[in-house]
Amino acid sequence: AQKVTQAQTEISVVEKEDVTLDCVYETRDTTYYLFWYKQPPSGELVFLIRRNSFDEQNEISGRYSWNFQKSTSSFNFTITASQVVDSAVYFCALSETTLSGYALNFGKGTSLLVTP
Amino acid sequence: SQTIHQWPATLVQPVGSPLSLECTVEGTSNPNLYWYRQAAGRGLQLLFYSVGIGQISSEVPQNLSASRPQDRQFILSSKKLLLSDSGFYLCAWAPNNYGYTFGSGTRLTVV
Repeated sequence: AQKVTQAQTEISVVEKEDVTLDCVYETRDTTYYLFWYKQPPSGELVFLIRRNSFDEQNEISGRYSWNFQKSTSSFNFTITASQVVDSAVYFCALSETTLSGYALNFGKGTSLLVTP
Repeated sequence: SQTIHQWPATLVQPVGSPLSLECTVEGTSNPNLYWYRQAAGRGLQLLFYSVGIGQISSEVPQNLSASRPQDRQFILSSKKLLLSDSGFYLCAWAPNNYGYTFGSGTRLTVV
């Protein structure tokens, strides 16, 4: 069963628009970690944020913000005033403490295209 | 500081040929190590993980194998490549579930 769902396959916005990438997860653990990664065209995975299951405070880092809601099992990512350099594939991932080796379980990714 | 090295960056191999991808980590000891594959559909799939030397766990049955001969070395292998083995392979390490670090990846094309 898919543990991390990113329902938006592709999103296209015009520069300076705000955009929200959705992530819904499924777990029976009470302790778990959620991540967002950015994958630019070059292919490497760039770490954006980690959030543990006990910390529901929203976080803001520059133009990036994250909304973690345990009640809806969601961990959404918003880019404010998007820029062309934000174009990439974004992955949401879940790490469960009961999952052997603490491996990351990734969603299928959302491809974001920001046009000038 | 901790760094992860993965090579080669790109590889084109004929069907039926062997494969060996290497990943090494510096600046840490006893890390958890992982091999992921990203096929054409973009999703990242966990292939193998290792919590120590000689300890390998496989998440999906396939044509590939992994080995960890040294604490900071993780190798992905195949005796005979299939066309379906094509993809982008990423090595990662983590001291626990905080702060995964990924290698730069190997783009494998099987022809």
